[in-house]
Amino acid sequence: GQQVQQSPASLVLQEGENAELQCNFSTSLNSMQWFYQRPGGSLVSLFYNPSGTKHSGRLTSTTVIKERRSSLHISSSQTTDSGTYLCALVNNAGAKLTFGGGTRLTVRP
Amino acid sequence: DAGVTQTPRHEVAEKGQTIILKCEPVSGHNDLFWYRQTKIQGLELLSYFRSKSLMEDGGAFKDRFKAEMLNSSFSTLKIQPTEPKDSAVYLCASRGQGAADYTFGSGTRLLVI
Repeated sequence: GQQVQQSPASLVLQEGENAELQCNFSTSLNSMQWFYQRPGGSLVSLFYNPSGTKHSGRLTSTTVIKERRSSLHISSSQTTDSGTYLCALVNNAGAKLTFGGGTRLTVRP
Repeated sequence: DAGVTQTPRHEVAEKGQTIILKCEPVSGHNDLFWYRQTKIQGLELLSYFRSKSLMEDGGAFKDRFKAEMLNSSFSTLKIQPTEPKDSAVYLCASRGQGAADYTFGSGTRLLVI
């Protein structure tokens, strides 16, 4: 089965609303990383989060290893937040990334 | 700083052709990855190099896919022969010393007809 599962697969928000994206993993974890991808664009790293909570502007990432989950919270969404958010499990060697299926976010004005 | 450069940005191939995709990693990065991205399968690892040595070769892709890294600043991915199901975006990424230091290229969008 899939090692990394993301939910929801897609999400539509009105500008200003908050979003909570989930990532669940079935194997032991070295670390979790979150990426953002604009349509047709490359991946941009948002967070490297082995455990605990990290903040960056309107974004917050929380990883709870014993519960095998990580979340990405977007507050006060903006239309420019639209795109795909991907979580990736980092293996023990700290190299290979195993990706979830992604959450496609659309923020409407 | 220069990022990861991938060429070409777009490629159209006829079934059965051989195509070669190219990637220039960030200077000084020791790890290089090739991924394939489709809407159905998402991101799948094709190959992983560390200091030019092949560390992992995605099992399902061994048959017609061959990645090489002849020097630390250049890698190629050859698909031979191409099939319509190979239509996807091919992403190259490199990683530096930091655990989170991944840089992705803009990808090559391949269409096989």
